[in-house]
Amino acid sequence: GQNIDQPTEMTATEGAIVQINCTYQTSGFNGLFWYQQHAGEAPTFLSYNVLDGLEEKGRFSSFLSRSKGYSYLLLKELQMKDSASYLCAVRVSGGSYIPTFGRGTSLIVHP
Amino acid sequence: DARVTQTPRHKVTEMGQEVTMRCQPILGHNTVFWYRQTMMQGLELLAYFRNRAPLDDSGMPKDRFSAEMPDATLATLKIQPSEPRDSAVYFCASGLGTSGRETQYFGPGTRLLVL
Repeated sequence: GQNIDQPTEMTATEGAIVQINCTYQTSGFNGLFWYQQHAGEAPTFLSYNVLDGLEEKGRFSSFLSRSKGYSYLLLKELQMKDSASYLCAVRVSGGSYIPTFGRGTSLIVHP
Repeated sequence: DARVTQTPRHKVTEMGQEVTMRCQPILGHNTVFWYRQTMMQGLELLAYFRNRAPLDDSGMPKDRFSAEMPDATLATLKIQPSEPRDSAVYFCASGLGTSGRETQYFGPGTRLLVL
């Protein structure tokens, strides 16, 4: 199976930059997703990394290092609406390719 | 703006009753996932369909849960009989792909409370 680790909670200030880390232990790695989930709502797709490096998409960037089993989600110019839970999900090759989700990191952005 | 729809959005029922949750995947999507989310366990996969065929339901308690896709526009998840420990938010997600690498688009969820 997979072991996915994320911090439970983080706080940051509006306008700042925050990095949310995700470490995983798995065999046959085949991609890592980041999802955003606001309280009481469904998860929404943010990014997908399968190769090493940084993928930038507006204020959000996601980084992957397969050799270290490590990813991070970087949020710049934080806004109050970024307060949400951020879920890391890892997919392995073989079988059904279904991603396994981490428990999520609850980010609180304050003024 | 295509979206996954789920009904009902909220359900309160008594232990022992049957619960049926419905999902309409995004038109044209060929994969459907059912997840359960609780504070304790996070997001857990219950079942996965591709082209209406069940590919993985290993996460689903078989004695009381069942998942079906009667047609390409409808997926159902049933619990019979329901128990208090089934209280959770049940999400349906759909995607388009053949290899399993597709991005999943989540519905708004059904919030189930079993008393």
